Amino acid sequence: AAGVIQSPRHLIKEKRETATLKCYPIPRHDTVYWYQQGPGQDPQFLISFYEKMQSDKGSIPDRFSAQQFSDYHSELNMSSLELGDSALYFCASSARGGDYGYTFGSGTRLTVV
Amino acid sequence: AQKITQTQPGMFVQEKEAVTLDCTYDTSDPSYGLFWYKQPSSGEMIFLIYQGSYDQQNATEGRYSLNFQKARKSANLVISASQLGDSAMYFCAMRETRRSGYSTLTFGKGTMLLVSP
Repeated sequence: AAGVIQSPRHLIKEKRETATLKCYPIPRHDTVYWYQQGPGQDPQFLISFYEKMQSDKGSIPDRFSAQQFSDYHSELNMSSLELGDSALYFCASSARGGDYGYTFGSGTRLTVV
Repeated sequence: AQKITQTQPGMFVQEKEAVTLDCTYDTSDPSYGLFWYKQPSSGEMIFLIYQGSYDQQNATEGRYSLNFQKARKSANLVISASQLGDSAMYFCAMRETRRSGYSTLTFGKGTMLLVSP
């Protein structure tokens, strides 16, 4: 079965650079979520999209933005990167608002040096 | 306020024994869902089991079962016959409806399980 695809798997950036993370949800899933998991931390909700419209925002810094495109893939754009942005970034998708569960991608591990 | 509480930062269990990972939650929403995820050292988030707030019976998935006590607001994960491959971080999570009207998952701090031979 198709899963949630995230790219790249690993990313190393320098401070003040920008990064773009991509997510391809499971076909026919209507909602995409982005989570940030710092080292030794639990995942924190950043932002979600329902049918390509932003549906909710969590603790997403103003330096970050995201969008969902017509083909339903989503991108998380991070600018002016800081050391504290080093984390595992997960994308998840669901159908019917999570009634049938959430499927997570393998994550993108971002390291800011 | 923490909505999902996992009080055990770490647990040790011997291979083939059963282990219970604790999870308590707090919500005023009558409709919610509780999930358990496994995160091995490789980092991926693997879904284990789900319990809906209106489900009458405890959920089971192979060696995983969820001890759901609604009145106590607890949703403990029971792993029977532990295997070495069960060593991982385990997260309890709750689906709840936010002010936006949309739902998302809120995670607990996790429990690190180590299975010894």
